[in-house]
Amino acid sequence: DAMVIQNPRYQVTQFGKPVTLSCSQTLNHNVMYWYQQKSSQAPKLLFHYYDKDFNNEADTPDNFQSRRPNTSFCFLDIRSPGLGDAAMYLCATSARLRANVLTFGAGSRLTVL
Amino acid sequence: DAKTTQPTSMDCAEGRAANLPCNHSTISGNEYVYWYRQIHSQGPQYIIHGLKNNETNEMASLIITEDRKSSTLILPHATLRDTAVYYCIVRYMKTSYDKVIFGPGTSLSVIP
Repeated sequence: DAMVIQNPRYQVTQFGKPVTLSCSQTLNHNVMYWYQQKSSQAPKLLFHYYDKDFNNEADTPDNFQSRRPNTSFCFLDIRSPGLGDAAMYLCATSARLRANVLTFGAGSRLTVL
Repeated sequence: DAKTTQPTSMDCAEGRAANLPCNHSTISGNEYVYWYRQIHSQGPQYIIHGLKNNETNEMASLIITEDRKSSTLILPHATLRDTAVYYCIVRYMKTSYDKVIFGPGTSLSVIP
């Protein structure tokens, strides 16, 4: 089945130690999004790629970076994780003609010690 | 984009219809109503969307009032697996990309 796959599902890192989360999709969708979801809160959009064009949300910290080497893959890099970055990170995709219909992965849960 | 208001939480007995309301009194003529849900520890899942006519799919029905200021998502026979947070979002139909912004949503508990 076509889907959005996130790895790892669970990531434990130490304070300040860089971490990379990955997202792959077999849907051939143009757009890929990264959301951050903290406990008991709604998902918060960090940034998105429209094809290779990167779009950062104004309030996304500089500590968060992203790469999209090709249509299928997108990475979220957290350069120096702090305790406040512990969260579920959700990747989503959408197709150009149904841009409001997002398909989400299962998420990567980050713990910062 | 129009703001939406949803109850914080609701309960529903298993096997009964779950009716989740959403108010969007400032909706404009070209804005659609979208519903997503998020089961615990999973990513959100698209359910249904509509403009002004009632819509039905294999997951749910969407009833939009004639003045379009409110809508109701109906799960006709709720099961325990329908326990989730349900998000009502109002957006213009986009054909490039869209920044879907989630509000607090309604936490639905289906009770045995």
